[in-house]
Amino acid sequence: QKEVEQNSGPLSVPEGAIASLNCTYSDRGSQSFFWYRQYSGKSPELIMFIYSNGDKEDGRFTAQLNKASQYVSLLIRDSQPSDSATYLCAVIHSGGYQKVTFGTGTKLQVIP
Amino acid sequence: KAGVTQTPRYLIKTRGQQVTLSCSPISGHRSVSWYQQTPGQGLQFLFEYFSETQRNKGNFPGRFSGRQFSNSRSEMNVSTLELGDSALYLCASTQDSGANVLTFGAGSRLTVL
Repeated sequence: QKEVEQNSGPLSVPEGAIASLNCTYSDRGSQSFFWYRQYSGKSPELIMFIYSNGDKEDGRFTAQLNKASQYVSLLIRDSQPSDSATYLCAVIHSGGYQKVTFGTGTKLQVIP
Repeated sequence: KAGVTQTPRYLIKTRGQQVTLSCSPISGHRSVSWYQQTPGQGLQFLFEYFSETQRNKGNFPGRFSGRQFSNSRSEMNVSTLELGDSALYLCASTQDSGANVLTFGAGSRLTVL
């Protein structure tokens, strides 16, 4: 069983719609959760992080964390073609300094 | 403020050779971590260094090694290269305190023939 799981996609949404990306993790003691975006041929860049249960909003992006169910999600409102990329979920395990486990990513395609 | 710098960007090696990759972190960042990215496996953690000490290590064979210098620059070495080592190797640096956010370099694309 992979420690961090994501649907590889591609997830196709029309421009202006809400894109919902999901991630589940196996280590119940995980403490920190991140979403990175990676454009084709580029390196990952941070979108946002979340530590506490609930929602965290940053512009068009909302991260949601449910530790009891061990899932974290990312909502992208008013999706734009420029949001087309692979979205990586990352988890820092309990007791780990920077031992980050990444999911394999979900490829998002926003159709104009 | 300069970002994370990785060299070389591209390299081609043959099986059995060894390779050394370099990473210069953002100024003031003492934590440097390395990742291997392949289409099939995604991003996999190799190791992490802080103040010249390896704090964490992923599940890679001993052919993969690294080190960090007093100026926080880091190198990773892969010996006895195998075809399966072909990958994008990403280095990331992190602020000493705060949110543990990784800032990645552009990566070193290794092809093993």
